[in-house]
Amino acid sequence: EIVLTQSPGTLSLSPGERATLSCRASQSVSSSYLAWYQQKPGQAPRLLIYGASSRATGIPDRFSGSGSGTDFTLTISRLEPEDFVVYYCQQYGSSPYTFGQGTKLEIK
Amino acid sequence: QVQLQESGPGLVKPSETLSLTCTVSGASVSSGDYYWSWIRQPPGKGLEWIGYIYNIGSTNYNPSLMSRVTISVDTSKNQFSLKLSSVTAADTAVYYCARNSGDSWGQGTLVSVSS
Repeated sequence: EIVLTQSPGTLSLSPGERATLSCRASQSVSSSYLAWYQQKPGQAPRLLIYGASSRATGIPDRFSGSGSGTDFTLTISRLEPEDFVVYYCQQYGSSPYTFGQGTKLEIK
Repeated sequence: QVQLQESGPGLVKPSETLSLTCTVSGASVSSGDYYWSWIRQPPGKGLEWIGYIYNIGSTNYNPSLMSRVTISVDTSKNQFSLKLSSVTAADTAVYYCARNSGDSWGQGTLVSVSS
């Protein structure tokens, strides 16, 4: 099973700043099958990025993904107030699919 | 636009079987184009993939739950279902159904395990 470790656990920033979230895998993720999700309280996760770097439909271009192998990054270029929620990475290249433990983005 | 909706009991007794159904609109569960998944999230915790079904009868389950999980499809109703046997309090969670591509999720349903 591939273990995904997200860092930091909590990230404190201000609106307008740049956020960099990390997801590290215990072994290489097949074909960059790595996704990022945003989850607001009481809602289902929302797909932001798939294939490590492709934005899902309707996702603003301030969200970008990068990385390969075992190291992946989600970058939010200019934080908006609605971005201060929880983010998860998920690998879907190897069964069982696994999620990271999440990074909470909070307002500084 | 694909929409998914979970339904089922919100309370299950320990040792009994949890049963949930996901009704899909805007896509066919019998199509081989997509896999159909169940994911759960204990209160205040992270996400756990339970398993998926594709091509009507092919399944893939999380080994941690494999001995207790069954996912099946009802093509006549365009639904897929989850059964989790011998539940304990540790199975209390919000259960989501989703298309495997990750772009379509149900709203989630909280299932509590308690006597």
